[in-house]
Amino acid sequence: DTAVSQTPKYLVTQMGNDKSIKCEQNLGHDTMYWYKQDSKKFLKIMFSYNNKELIINETVPNRFSPKSPDKAHLNLHINSLELGDSAVYFCASSQDGTGWAEAFFGQGTRLTVV
Amino acid sequence: DAKTTQPTSMDCAEGRAANLPCNHSTISGNEYVYWYRQIHSQGPQYIIHGLKNNETNEMASLIITEDRKSSTLILPHATLRDTAVYYCIVREDSSASKIIFGSGTRLSIRP
Repeated sequence: DTAVSQTPKYLVTQMGNDKSIKCEQNLGHDTMYWYKQDSKKFLKIMFSYNNKELIINETVPNRFSPKSPDKAHLNLHINSLELGDSAVYFCASSQDGTGWAEAFFGQGTRLTVV
Repeated sequence: DAKTTQPTSMDCAEGRAANLPCNHSTISGNEYVYWYRQIHSQGPQYIIHGLKNNETNEMASLIITEDRKSSTLILPHATLRDTAVYYCIVREDSSASKIIFGSGTRLSIRP
């Protein structure tokens, strides 16, 4: 069983389109995250949700909107896609409440905007 | 911004111990030291964490200096599958704490 699953694994789309990436975790964790890994391989946190509430929102264009229908899901919607949005996006989850909780990451979604 | 510094790259012979250093001189009392790794084309994978004491699990050992300003991740018997980028992270003991990745150390295991 996959602990954190993302779909799709690959996404190729044209500039200006709107797309969504889905993430689900079956670990019963309270906290979920979205990370972006750019071409230089830097992993940057974008958002964090705890029990469906946004707790971290880094400097991310408002074209990016996370949506958490329940604590097992955190989907990422991206409007008006730009070339610079091309990256690998990782979803993760952890059982927070204390700082020692490990995070489990999905396999990533490689987004290519053409 | 990451609060840790690591060498950009290292290599190690297969079967030998790989020792990966990390400096975190500004670490505060409620911050844990975490290690993750990212194998090519995969998501980051948790390895180990610690606060003050040395820790060991089935994957690795973590040695934290007494002043907590640096630590070393030890892979006791490196294999080719351990080739990855290793990230050292400090993280607060808080439900709102971020996992902030630096540039990591690219570890290459040579046959």
